[in-house]
Amino acid sequence: EDQVTQSPEALRLQEGESSSLNCSYTVSGLRGLFWYRQDPGKGPEFLFTLYSAGEEKEKERLKATLTKKESFLHITAPKPEDSATYLCAFERGGGNKLTFGTGTQLKVEL
Amino acid sequence: SQTIHQWPATLVQPVGSPLSLECTVEGTSNPNLYWYRQAAGRGLQLLFYSVGIGQISSEVPQNLSASRPQDRQFILSSKKLLLSDSGFYLCAWTDRGYGYTFGSGTRLTVV
Repeated sequence: EDQVTQSPEALRLQEGESSSLNCSYTVSGLRGLFWYRQDPGKGPEFLFTLYSAGEEKEKERLKATLTKKESFLHITAPKPEDSATYLCAFERGGGNKLTFGTGTQLKVEL
Repeated sequence: SQTIHQWPATLVQPVGSPLSLECTVEGTSNPNLYWYRQAAGRGLQLLFYSVGIGQISSEVPQNLSASRPQDRQFILSSKKLLLSDSGFYLCAWTDRGYGYTFGSGTRLTVV
């Protein structure tokens, strides 16, 4: 069965302390691996889509990478405003939907 | 530019009452439309999706139904709400290749 597993469930960092969030997946015929940011009480906000192993994308302090088995969201020198839940999701080739992991709740403290 | 509207933002309903949540998309045509539900501290669970007017796919058996009466309108309904229907409901759309965009969500509390 296709699935994604995110780890850790929760992560607490000091401001400036870089770290990585993990998204492990087993998907037959992956079309795309998506990363979203979700603030409390709001809808998910799109960050990145990765389509093939070896691909990397960056946005400000965030960088997403993809291998054949997992994706990482690297956060460099995080700030308190980076605190949110980060969700990964996959879309299968020929599919019309996103399937989500349970997310990593990130808190960045001063 | 494309925008997605979802309302209401919050809703408190008694058990056994009906439900209607509406989602509309502007600035695109023939989008795929989706209803997700998010329980507290959990990921998003796909409930329904639609690839065209009148075409509804259900992902999980439940007390809810969906309809797409117009190209850019997606409605989530229930005839009689259960306590277990409480959650955060999210509408989303895609035009098949440019990512999925989510609405701001409806917090439903069934009491």
